[in-house]
Amino acid sequence: SQQGEEDPQALSIQEGENATMNCSYKTSINNLQWYRQNSGRGLVHLILIRSNEREKHSGRLRVTLDTSKKSSSLLITASRAADTASYFCALGDTGGFKTIFGAGTRLFVKA
Amino acid sequence: GAGVSQSPRYKVAKRGQDVALRCDPISGHVSLFWYQQALGQGPEFLTYFQNEAQLDKSGLPSDRFFAERPEGSVSTLKIQRTQQEDSAVYLCASSFGGYAYNEQFFGPGTRLTVL
Repeated sequence: SQQGEEDPQALSIQEGENATMNCSYKTSINNLQWYRQNSGRGLVHLILIRSNEREKHSGRLRVTLDTSKKSSSLLITASRAADTASYFCALGDTGGFKTIFGAGTRLFVKA
Repeated sequence: GAGVSQSPRYKVAKRGQDVALRCDPISGHVSLFWYQQALGQGPEFLTYFQNEAQLDKSGLPSDRFFAERPEGSVSTLKIQRTQQEDSAVYLCASSFGGYAYNEQFFGPGTRLTVL
């Protein structure tokens, strides 16, 4: 299975701290995406990184991809209470059609 | 419309009933995906359409599940003879390009409860 595995499963931090979530996978991918899900806004796309890219930034988000280690990380800097949500990595299947989601990291940011 | 819409938002069915879930993707989006999400889990891929063509249905759990997108826009996921294990949130997503290369825009989901 190509399912992404997020680590940690849950994370609780204080507002203002940084949060790092990791995703590992087993086979080749053509892209990796990060999504956020909370009860208010559903699943929202955060950032996409292609297999030939190593790092991408978007606002307070920084994503890295290491294809040799088959892993990715999502860093949220200066976290806010509004960042409380579940974060999922999603693998773009090499077959081109599927996107395979992991089980997610549940982030809780305390005000 | 501004985003992906799904209807109904909530559906309660008695075991054995048939249900139909509707997805209106963003206008002009080529790709449409259906996912099933159990409580506390990530979305599980069900099927993929590129325009009206169903190019991947490998995630459909049984032959009781059927999806269509006859005109390449609105899609319907039908579940026949519902079972309790079908209880989940069903998510629809669309993206502009083909394949799984682009960001997906998700609808709010339909929460199906089978009694």
